[in-house]
Amino acid sequence: SAVISQKPSRDICQRGTSLTIQCQVDSQVTMMFWYRQQPGQSLTLIATANQGSEATYESGFVIDKFPISRPNLTFSTLTVSNMSPEDSSIYLCSVEDLGARTEAFFGQGTRLTVV
Amino acid sequence: KQEVTQIPAALSVPEGENLVLNCSFTDSAIYNLQWFRQDPGKGLTSLLLIQSSQREQTSGRLNASLDKSSGRSTLYIAASQPGDSATYLCAVNDYKLSFGAGTTVTVRA
Repeated sequence: SAVISQKPSRDICQRGTSLTIQCQVDSQVTMMFWYRQQPGQSLTLIATANQGSEATYESGFVIDKFPISRPNLTFSTLTVSNMSPEDSSIYLCSVEDLGARTEAFFGQGTRLTVV
Repeated sequence: KQEVTQIPAALSVPEGENLVLNCSFTDSAIYNLQWFRQDPGKGLTSLLLIQSSQREQTSGRLNASLDKSSGRSTLYIAASQPGDSATYLCAVNDYKLSFGAGTTVTVRA
């Protein structure tokens, strides 16, 4: 299994500012994923972060709003840019164990409130 | 596009009762299905992973079944405890994960 550390665990930010969320994994993984969970809703995939290439974004998410870095096989960051109250959500980092079981593991999430 | 539905949306039971949580999905061409637990404001904890070739998986008081042809999975929690109170999410992997909206469980002491 993979252990994922995500920072910060929560933050309250002013509208118009940006926040960078960090995700550190205790083992090397090929793909890392970023999800958003809006209040009272389930998880929505934002993008897939691959080491050495640009992130792949899902429909409705763009790089200018959610830039992602993936400098190595154990670390990734997601930035939420030019924030508005609608960005208030829990943001989660995930990895998949690409061994035989392909089990997904998640960090503890970053609870973001934009005021 | 894969659609995942979880029924019921919420469930309240007295301690000791068995829990039955349902998950259905529209496209049966999946690699696996995973059940997660989420506590309020927190991340997801993996409970059980069922590969597409399997019919069920068990871990302690938890048992999950999978009927891929009919697009259904059921999570059974035996002898529920107040500590089981959480939201349970079903996720289907058909190259990427698609999540249901979850079932929020309250176990009353």
